[in-house]
Amino acid sequence: AAGVIQSPRHLIKEKRETATLKCYPIPRHDTVYWYQQGPGQDPQFLISFYEKMQSDKGSIPDRFSAQQFSDYHSELNMSSLELGDSALYFCASSLMRTPNTEAFFGQGTRLTVV
Amino acid sequence: DAKTTQPNSMESNEEEPVHLPCNHSTISGTDYIHWYRQLPSQGPEYVIHGLTSNVNNRMASLAIAEDRKSSTLILHRATLRDAAVYYCILRGYYGGSQGNLIFGKGTKLSVKP
Repeated sequence: AAGVIQSPRHLIKEKRETATLKCYPIPRHDTVYWYQQGPGQDPQFLISFYEKMQSDKGSIPDRFSAQQFSDYHSELNMSSLELGDSALYFCASSLMRTPNTEAFFGQGTRLTVV
Repeated sequence: DAKTTQPNSMESNEEEPVHLPCNHSTISGTDYIHWYRQLPSQGPEYVIHGLTSNVNNRMASLAIAEDRKSSTLILHRATLRDAAVYYCILRGYYGGSQGNLIFGKGTKLSVKP
């Protein structure tokens, strides 16, 4: 079965550069969530989209932005990168944003800022 | 968001059952109890969820207390591949924030051969 696809899997950027992470949800899933997980930390919710509209914001820095496109894939744009942005970034998708559905996670993008 | 409390860590022997507890005393009537786990260097993985009744699937069982203020994830026969961090998450309707998964501090399960 198709899973959530994230690209790239690994990314190395320098401070003050920009990065774009992509997420391709499971077909027919209309909800996408983004998470950031620092070393030894639990996943932190960043932002979510439902039917191409932003539905909720978590602890997403102002330097980050995201959107969901007409084909339901999503991109997380990160500007003015800082060393502290080095983390695993996970995307998840679900069918509808109701609490009675399960979310499926991708394998993540490991971002290293040097 | 409603909060959950889990032990920081637990140990189990291989092929023995494991009971992972979760307290959620502030749960609301419409909150679903979800369990996810995260193996090292992997994305979180759905395990099971329920509302009021106990639930079983191929991975685990979920036992929910009658007052819904606590629940227990049961792995019937632990294997080395079950070593992971297990997260108990309440997922409900909070205004416009429908269905978001907010991770707290999970339980790190170690399985000994």
